[in-house]
Amino acid sequence: SQQGEEDPQALSIQEGENATMNCSYKTSINNLQWYRQNSGRGLVHLILIRSNEREKHSGRLRVTLDTSKKSSSLLITASRAADTASYFCATDRAGSSGDKLTFGTGTRLAVRP
Amino acid sequence: NAGVTQTPKFQVLKTGQSMTLQCAQDMNHEYMSWYRQDPGMGLRLIHYSVGAGITDQGEVPNGYNVSRSTTEDFPLRLLSAAPSQTSVYFCASRRRENTEAFFGQGTRLTVV
Repeated sequence: SQQGEEDPQALSIQEGENATMNCSYKTSINNLQWYRQNSGRGLVHLILIRSNEREKHSGRLRVTLDTSKKSSSLLITASRAADTASYFCATDRAGSSGDKLTFGTGTRLAVRP
Repeated sequence: NAGVTQTPKFQVLKTGQSMTLQCAQDMNHEYMSWYRQDPGMGLRLIHYSVGAGITDQGEVPNGYNVSRSTTEDFPLRLLSAAPSQTSVYFCASRRRENTEAFFGQGTRLTVV
């Protein structure tokens, strides 16, 4: 079953605006990761935030994690047309053995020039 | 480094045929996984391996078989293809759990 669900399912913004997408998950986690997927391509890792961290930055990306609400948000500042892609959250569940990185259903972001 | 390499990129099968999707990584990662991606479903885990000789089932293993004889390779076998297996398949590898995953470019499979 899907561990994470992203919200919104689709987002369209103007170049230069900020984009915020959210992820909710169901079980306790060790970490939460965000990935980007350009159309027809493989997923590319963006950022990993551990369960004991609340916020992390990487360039124009800012990720927050609220383990009490089982939710995370990804903020992309000053968006560019090249940011057009699908974004997925993924979690490593706490207490789970093996390689069970579980993905959400994704947010499709369109950045208009 | 090539990273994670999947072959073929595209494949059309007839119902009942079998085939093997290839995946190779050159990063000496212990963990490798196969996912399928369907519209609106995100990525679902089919099988995974935490090292050579060790494999286990994911969320949707039925109709698929895997083996891991070397660290580098993790092939996915479709035993008897069905239209429900029409999907995009991704292979991923990572050093261990709780680290970032590296993905191949995907195999788009159509079963008619």
